[in-house]
Amino acid sequence: EVVMTQSPATLSVSPGERATLSCRASQNVRTNLAWYQHKPGQAPRLLIYDTSTRAAGISARFSGSGSGTEFTLTVSSLQSEDFAVYYCQQSSDWPRTFGQGTKVEIK
Amino acid sequence: DVQLVESGGGLVQPGGSRRLSCAVSGFIFRDFSMHWIRLTPERGLQYVAAIHYTDGKIFYADSVKGRFTMSRDISKNTVYLQMGRVRPEDTGLYFCARVGEMGFFDSWGQGTLVTVSS
Repeated sequence: EVVMTQSPATLSVSPGERATLSCRASQNVRTNLAWYQHKPGQAPRLLIYDTSTRAAGISARFSGSGSGTEFTLTVSSLQSEDFAVYYCQQSSDWPRTFGQGTKVEIK
Repeated sequence: DVQLVESGGGLVQPGGSRRLSCAVSGFIFRDFSMHWIRLTPERGLQYVAAIHYTDGKIFYADSVKGRFTMSRDISKNTVYLQMGRVRPEDTGLYFCARVGEMGFFDSWGQGTLVTVSS
């Protein structure tokens, strides 16, 4: 299966600053990659799909880039509601696999 | 509005069984593939099972194959996950999720917690 590796595990950021999250795939997944946001007690939310397309209703603060095996999620000017755990996921191969997550916390 | 609501979680003894349900609303259920995905401290988010909308074929992660059974009742707009011969490593928060037209999980429930312990 495709192993997804996210870094860092935890990112401490001050409100208003930029956060850059990384995701690496163990094999080429082309641009078949998504990012999700998850807060405790809530349903995970799709942020970005096909590497760089924002899902409906998602703020332009969120942007995605990359292809092949290296991907990045950037959150510009972090707001209080953006502190959460972020997961990447590939849909290039079965089974669908996720990264271990990056927790974005308040510095 | 699209809604997915899981239920049925709780404490289960090792080797026991549990049935999880996911009631959906706000969309035509039979037109979408559905997944069960779990969140565990050790492995993060992990695909458990999936049902394809086109032919109803069901697929399982190797870790649950032969122990878990996914099914759906279109008349009740509900998908199920029958968990059997559970192990401590099955402990986790179980989500159902819809596969959107773009091929990713565009709607999720809030999850139901399953704890396997004696």
